[in-house]
Amino acid sequence: QSVLTQPPSASGTPGQRVTLSCSGGSSNIGSNPVNWYQLLPGTAPKLLIYSDNQRPSGIPDRFSGSKSGTSASLAISGLQSEDEADYYCAAWDDSLKGHVFGAGTKVTVL
Amino acid sequence: QITLKESGPTLVKPTQTLTLTCTLSGFSLSTNGVGVGWLRQPPGKALEWLAIFYWDDDKRYSPSLKSRLTITTDTSKNHVVLIMTNMDPVDTATYYCAHARRRQSCSGGRCYYFDYWGQGTLVTVSS
Repeated sequence: QSVLTQPPSASGTPGQRVTLSCSGGSSNIGSNPVNWYQLLPGTAPKLLIYSDNQRPSGIPDRFSGSKSGTSASLAISGLQSEDEADYYCAAWDDSLKGHVFGAGTKVTVL
Repeated sequence: QITLKESGPTLVKPTQTLTLTCTLSGFSLSTNGVGVGWLRQPPGKALEWLAIFYWDDDKRYSPSLKSRLTITTDTSKNHVVLIMTNMDPVDTATYYCAHARRRQSCSGGRCYYFDYWGQGTLVTVSS
């Protein structure tokens, strides 16, 4: 049972906008920044968003993050076939005193 | 260019001790605001944070695994080693090491995020 809650799957057609949700509590998302990671089989995980809405250099602006209260979202606009991957949200948890992750959302490009 | 590479056994027996090494390149673990963490992902399951070693030699562990984990470096700080005792089949996973960076104007473990990851190494626990 993951501390952060993510839907197991999401899908969209090329060019569409897809929004992934991540729900937590007051000890994690409610009081700490959220980060998003992309995992593709056989490749190193990639940081997509840090500090709720900041993109590292090299990450296209099709990826955007937001947060409100104890929930966060990752939006992928202009969906592309290469976006088919697993996406994980993460945050620090003040009660557990550690980094916690969601169970991940698998994005399928139809 | 920051890179990290995990190495270690691919197969361990139950009750054995696992030792994994993360080789660092392109950065110094002595740099203020830098850390190296270990994380894992069991097949078909979620990512899990295990431990982190900070630039100031501080260390933090996942509370649920703390009794089984040790994270350390060599004298040059070019390698970060994770030791996990009493391995069990449920510990079968891909183990990752990752470069951690501290956000500006922030202090404490809550301030770090993992911005560069190794490719991971699959460890299977089986007799």
